Amino acid sequence: GESVGLHLPTLSVQEGDNSIINCAYSNSASDYFIWYKQESGKGPQFIIDIRSNMDKRQGQRVTVLLNKTVKHLSLQIAATQPGDSAVYFCAEIFMNRDDKIIFGKGTRLHILP
Amino acid sequence: NAGVTQTPKFQVLKTGQSMTLQCAQDMNHNSMYWYRQDPGMGLRLIYYSASEGTTDKGEVPNGYNVSRLNKREFSLRLESAAPSQTSVYFCASSWGGVGGVYEQYFGPGTRLTVT
Repeated sequence: GESVGLHLPTLSVQEGDNSIINCAYSNSASDYFIWYKQESGKGPQFIIDIRSNMDKRQGQRVTVLLNKTVKHLSLQIAATQPGDSAVYFCAEIFMNRDDKIIFGKGTRLHILP
Repeated sequence: NAGVTQTPKFQVLKTGQSMTLQCAQDMNHNSMYWYRQDPGMGLRLIYYSASEGTTDKGEVPNGYNVSRLNKREFSLRLESAAPSQTSVYFCASSWGGVGGVYEQYFGPGTRLTVT
């Protein structure tokens, strides 16, 4: 079936360290993936995306890695800051199915001082 | 640009009451979406509209109706609210794949409690 899941519901990271948030997906037909950040009381906010024909994409302090062999997606945040505290969702998009989007349950990133 | 706006921000309903959640976007986006988010859960798609004049069911459409009033506005209606519909509702919009852009912009959410 279709599912987008996350390995850990909560991740605690020391300020200044790198964070790695993981996401597993089950449908090899997925075309496109997006990572969103959701701060408390707000709607999700786009962070970075990656197409299925890529294995890595970098943004400002963030890198997304896609391993299609094991159907795994990860978001790496460099030099984690207090402002990075949020819930992070991965989303899977099926472009040949009217752009159907499936969101994972989310991982809460907690920054330790 | 205001982005995506939603009204109301909070609402309490009694079981059986009806209400409409309003959503508007000023980015000229083609696609609009309604999601619900329950505690400890990801976002679940209720309905979406790929373009003005079209609407389609998402993952959890039962108990809801939608109207794409024009390109800017997409409303969600609960005809007879039930406690199971207590949730936070998010509206989102996007270009819908035009030019390969799928990024969704989300509104601030509506917290709905049904007693």
